[in-house]
Formats: sequence, C-alpha cells, structure tokens
Amino acid sequence: DIQMTQSPSSLSASVGDRVTITCRASQDIRNYLAWFQQKPGEAPKSLIYAASSLQTGVPSKFSGSGSGTEFTLTISSLQPEDFATYYCQHYIHYPPTFGGGTNVEIK
Amino acid sequence: EVRLLESGGALLQPGGSLRLSCAASGFLFRSFDMTWVRQAPGKGLEWVSTISLSGGNTYYADSVKGRFTVSRDNSRNTLYLQMNNLRADDTALYFCAKGCCGGSGMVDYWGQGTLVTVSS
Repeated sequence: DIQMTQSPSSLSASVGDRVTITCRASQDIRNYLAWFQQKPGEAPKSLIYAASSLQTGVPSKFSGSGSGTEFTLTISSLQPEDFATYYCQHYIHYPPTFGGGTNVEIK
Repeated sequence: EVRLLESGGALLQPGGSLRLSCAASGFLFRSFDMTWVRQAPGKGLEWVSTISLSGGNTYYADSVKGRFTVSRDNSRNTLYLQMNNLRADDTALYFCAKGCCGGSGMVDYWGQGTLVTVSS
C-alpha cells in the first residue's frame, strides 16, 4: 500500500498568515492527490483534486501543487474559518490512503 | 443540492452485526461510484470500501475484508454497508461519500456520518 505522510502534524498560525502543508507519497502517484478540510464535529469537505484543481465553490485562497511524490497545500491568507484539520489522500489505485492530517490552530 | 444521509449506527458487542445505510439525493446516484470512509474517535480518516456505479465491482480495506460487504440499490438511491463479526477497533464514525474525479476511491461530497460503537 502507498503511505502518505503529512508535515507538520500541527501548526499554529495567525489570521493573515500564508500557510503551507506538505504531503509525501511513498511511491509515484502522478497527480492523483486530493486535499480535504475537516472542522471539529463536521464531515470532511473536498478542497482539491488532481493535485491542483479546486473543487466547485472552494475559494481561490486555497491552492495545491506537486506531482509524483511531493505535494503542497497552500492557504494564501489564513482566515478564522480556515482553522481546521487538513488531510491529503492519494487515489491512483486501491486502497486509497489518507495522510495523518495537519491540525491548523490559532496562534 | 447533493445530500447524503447515513443511518443505522448503534452500540453493540464484539462479534455482532450491523447494516449501515446511506440515502442519496440531489444527483444521479446510479452514475457514480460510492465510498465508505470511517474515523475512529480522535483519529484520522480511513478508507473502508468503494462500490462501482453498477455495483459490479467492490473494493475493501484489508482491515475489513471478509467481514464487511458493500452494496447499493440504484432504484432506491441507497448505499449499504453490511458489517459482520465486529471488533472493538471498528468503533468509528462511518461516512458515506459520492465518487468523483476519475480515480480509485476519490470522493467529493460527504454525509454527516453515523456512529458505530463496539464494546462489551
């Protein structure tokens, strides 16, 4: 199975900060990479698919990049509603596995 | 508006069985793969199972293979997860999710989840 490793596992940031989260795959997954946001007590929300394509309705402050084994999710200017846990997931073949998550907290 | 509503979660003892349901609306259910993902209390997301749009192909995580069965009724717009021989480590919030984006188990919309607790 492909292992997905996110870093950092948590971070503290201030409103207005630019935040970058990294996701590494244990083998080449081309661009079969998705990002999800989950707030406490809520279902996950899909942000990005195909490494860099925004889902419908997702604001442009979110961006994704990368291919192969290294990927990043960037939030250009952190807002209060962005404090959440973020997960990456590969979907190149079964089983699709998730990263361990990155908890973005308020500094 | 896409809506996914899970039901069937319960508290039960190890070795028990349970069937979860997911009622879908707001999209053409029969045209999309559907997926179950679970989240143990305080933990991350774990893919459980995916079923193809026709139901002809099913995929399972090793942790549930042989114990769980995914199925769907396209006439009722409903997804199911039959869970047998439940263990304590199956305790989790179970989400159903709509497939998308041309990949294996990739999803876009999620339900709110139904809680399964396995404890003696």
